[in-house]
Amino acid sequence: NAGVTQTPKFQVLKTGQSMTLQCAQDMNHNSMYWYRQDPGMGLRLIYYSASEGTTDKGEVPNGYNVSRLNKREFSLRLESAAPSQTSVYFCASLKGPPDTQYFGPGTRLTVL
Amino acid sequence: KQEVTQIPAALSVPEGENLVLNCSFTDSAIYNLQWFRQDPGKGLTSLLLIQSSQREQTSGRLNASLDKSSGRSTLYIAASQPGDSATYLCAVGDMGRRALTFGSGTRLQVQP
Repeated sequence: NAGVTQTPKFQVLKTGQSMTLQCAQDMNHNSMYWYRQDPGMGLRLIYYSASEGTTDKGEVPNGYNVSRLNKREFSLRLESAAPSQTSVYFCASLKGPPDTQYFGPGTRLTVL
Repeated sequence: KQEVTQIPAALSVPEGENLVLNCSFTDSAIYNLQWFRQDPGKGLTSLLLIQSSQREQTSGRLNASLDKSSGRSTLYIAASQPGDSATYLCAVGDMGRRALTFGSGTRLQVQP
């Protein structure tokens, strides 16, 4: 039981490049989330998925797209990376009840 | 829009002290409240979760309280140890998506 896994752990991109951050969970959870964490700040919600095939925007969705093709995996795509997207990205899944969120180890992304 | 504030932003204490971390939130219509620990460069570890109907939760040397009507939570750490040094994040879960809104954290350093 690996919990929530994320790949890659680190990534450096140039402005305008695209990439997909992968997230998978093996706990059979329905709800999954993508957050970003900027220096000195708490995490902010980018996108949410209640179940396979459904997604919803969070607080900071601009510049991102997501895909939930199956129950296990929830990917985050940057179509044209910008320096403002330099951040640490965390994926989480929800076990309920009592609705505890479990987080992956994060992806540290730098956009030059 | 929910806002979560944590005070103090940083705290340094000698080993053995009891300490209190504070968290306040602006919208009392929450589903639950979760306290996390984050070590430098690492992911989030869930410490305690309090449902909106509960007043407190305890785990070992940690005790978290919730006063939903006043929009406050405290995390009490008894007999602090150097291994407790980390950033502590407070997060409130919304009623619908169970997505979390985070505070900016309290960075704790326990001196040997």
